[in-house]
Amino acid sequence: QQQVRQSPQSLTVWEGETAILNCSYEDSTFNYFPWYQQFPGEGPALLISIRSVSDKKEDGRFTIFFNKREKKLSLHITDSQPGDSATYFCAASASGSWQLIFGSGTQLTVMP
Amino acid sequence: ETAVFQTPNYHVTQVGNEVSFNCKQTLGHDTMYWYKQDSKKLLKIMFSYNNKQLIVNETVPRRFSPQSSDKAHLNLRIKSVEPEDSAVYLCASSPRDKNYAEQFFGPGTRLTVL
Repeated sequence: QQQVRQSPQSLTVWEGETAILNCSYEDSTFNYFPWYQQFPGEGPALLISIRSVSDKKEDGRFTIFFNKREKKLSLHITDSQPGDSATYFCAASASGSWQLIFGSGTQLTVMP
Repeated sequence: ETAVFQTPNYHVTQVGNEVSFNCKQTLGHDTMYWYKQDSKKLLKIMFSYNNKQLIVNETVPRRFSPQSSDKAHLNLRIKSVEPEDSAVYLCASSPRDKNYAEQFFGPGTRLTVL
């Protein structure tokens, strides 16, 4: 049973457009949601994160929108750049848990 | 430079051999992890370890074992590799805040089992 789901599996946008990556979860005890960015040949790198007490987190062109009632969140990348082309992972963790549960990733391609 | 370092970058071996991968972090973190990332990029936690406690994901086969000399090093040993072990193995570390598991990853070791 997959606890963290991501969609779409792959997404292609044009440079300058807004890319929207979706994530949903099942466990209501999850309260920390980081997004990781992974380029080919590298390990995932923390991009932005949100805690369940907030409904929005912004960092430059990257914004997380969080809906606790629906157990959904999304990552918006505004003014997408070709350098944003990567795989994006949504993850979740419960307070005091040793585990970070990862979704299956969204492969984003930004066309110039 | 403060980061998570892994060696080797790549390793090719045959079924039944023993392999060992190294991981070192210079971030001063207390907890280290090993993940397996398969060909579909799915990330699965294998182990979590600090100087007091080893936590093992119960789905990890017994031929896998972590080895630590101190809190900055966590190696991964595979006793007798099998074809399904072909994957990228990622090491990570975290400062182990009480509530939030913010993890920092190394570049990975790609294992190919022939």
